[in-house]
Amino acid sequence: SQTIHQWPATLVQPVGSPLSLECTVEGTSNPNLYWYRQAAGRGLQLLFYSVGIGQISSEVPQNLSASRPQDRQFILSSKKLLLSDSGFYLCAWSLGLGEQYFGPGTRLTVT
Amino acid sequence: AQSVTQLDSQVPVFEEAPVELRCNYSSSVSVYLFWYVQYPNQGLQLLLKYLSGSTLVESINGFEAEFNKSQTSFHLRKPSVHISDTAEYFCAVSDRVFGNEKLTFGTGTRLTIIP
Repeated sequence: SQTIHQWPATLVQPVGSPLSLECTVEGTSNPNLYWYRQAAGRGLQLLFYSVGIGQISSEVPQNLSASRPQDRQFILSSKKLLLSDSGFYLCAWSLGLGEQYFGPGTRLTVT
Repeated sequence: AQSVTQLDSQVPVFEEAPVELRCNYSSSVSVYLFWYVQYPNQGLQLLLKYLSGSTLVESINGFEAEFNKSQTSFHLRKPSVHISDTAEYFCAVSDRVFGNEKLTFGTGTRLTIIP
């Protein structure tokens, strides 16, 4: 069966510091991968998605970036965090039928 | 472009009472439809989906949703709720025709069960 991992689970970072969040999927090959952000009390905002290694689509211009160094690994990064980057970050995967499967999330607090 | 509307941001319901969470969508093409549930501080879990076939779909924990093409709706229902159903519920849609790599989510409905 497929599983998806995210780490860290929680993170507190000062403004201006770098960020690296990692997501890995097990039990499937060539999945579509996604990064979402969920601000407090808000819905989900799609940040990036990838349909293959090296193929990254950005949905929202901001100070975040994403990379997919391996088939089942998706990394979200920032060089300098802003207060507005605080939120709950969710990684998801799919095989292209529309339904997506989500990881447990990373709670990021920028202070 | 697609959009999903969940008109009720919060729904309080007494335990063992029925509930309906409303979802309407707009799309110029045929769609796939989904309901996700999110418990506090967790990721989203797929609750049920409509891809094709019967317009009434059911989940293993007693929820059901009915695809109504003429009303462009996919409302979620449960005849008798439990405390454990307290969570946030998201409706989502993807299109069948132009690529279903992306889901469009509604803003969510927070379901609170009152003992």
